[in-house]
Amino acid sequence: DVKVTQSSRYLVKRTGEKVFLECVQDMDHENMFWYRQDPGLGLRLIYFSYDVKMKEKGDIPEGYSVSREKKERFSLILESASTNQTSMYLCASRSQPGTGGYNEQFFGPGTRLTVL
Amino acid sequence: SQQGEEDPQALSIQEGENATMNCSYKTSINNLQWYRQNSGRGLVHLILIRSNEREKHSGRLRVTLDTSKKSSSLLITASRAADTASYFCATVTGGGADGLTFGKGTHLIIQP
Repeated sequence: DVKVTQSSRYLVKRTGEKVFLECVQDMDHENMFWYRQDPGLGLRLIYFSYDVKMKEKGDIPEGYSVSREKKERFSLILESASTNQTSMYLCASRSQPGTGGYNEQFFGPGTRLTVL
Repeated sequence: SQQGEEDPQALSIQEGENATMNCSYKTSINNLQWYRQNSGRGLVHLILIRSNEREKHSGRLRVTLDTSKKSSSLLITASRAADTASYFCATVTGGGADGLTFGKGTHLIIQP
C-alpha cells in the first residue's frame, strides 16, 4: 500500500520561529509537492521537486523554502513563521510522467500549522 | 492561479440518490483528476481522465470530460453516508513536473 507520511498532524509555533515540515514517501517517486489549503482559496502549490536536490517554485513560494536531499524526503521550511502562514499543509508525491502522460498524486494526511 | 471551478459549492442529498458535481477550467489540459477529502484529512485520488478520453468509470463513479466546453462532471451513483466529503477537480496542464491546479471543491453531504 502506497504511503506518504508527514511528521506532525498538528503544530503550534510562535511568530519568528523557524519551522520544518517533513514529508516522506515510500513509493520511490521522483516528483514531490507541497501545497497549502485555506478556506475559500482551495489548495495552492508552494514548491515542487522533480528529483533529488532539485526544486521549483510553485504559485506561492514567498516565505518558504524546501530541501530534497534524499529521494524519499521533501522538507518545507518556514524561515521565520508569520501568522498568515497558519494553514493546512499537504505533501504529495507522484511517479515521473511517462508516455501516458501525468499520473495521480498521492497525498499525506496533512499538517495543521498554527502560528501565534 | 485557480484553474478548476467546481459547481455547486455544496450539495446535500438523501442516501441512495445520485450526486453530480461539475468542474470548469480555463486552459488546455493534459488530464483532469478528481480527489476526495474527508474532514481534516489528506486528499485521496478517485479517478483520472486524459484529454483524449470522454468518459471513464470506476465502481460507482462516472466521470465525463468535454474539452470543447472545458468542463468535467463527476457522478456518484447510489450514494452512501461514507461518501460525505469534499470533492475537488484538479488539472494538469503539462510542460514539466508542475503540480496540480485545484478548484475550491464541492462539499457533499449524504443524509442517512
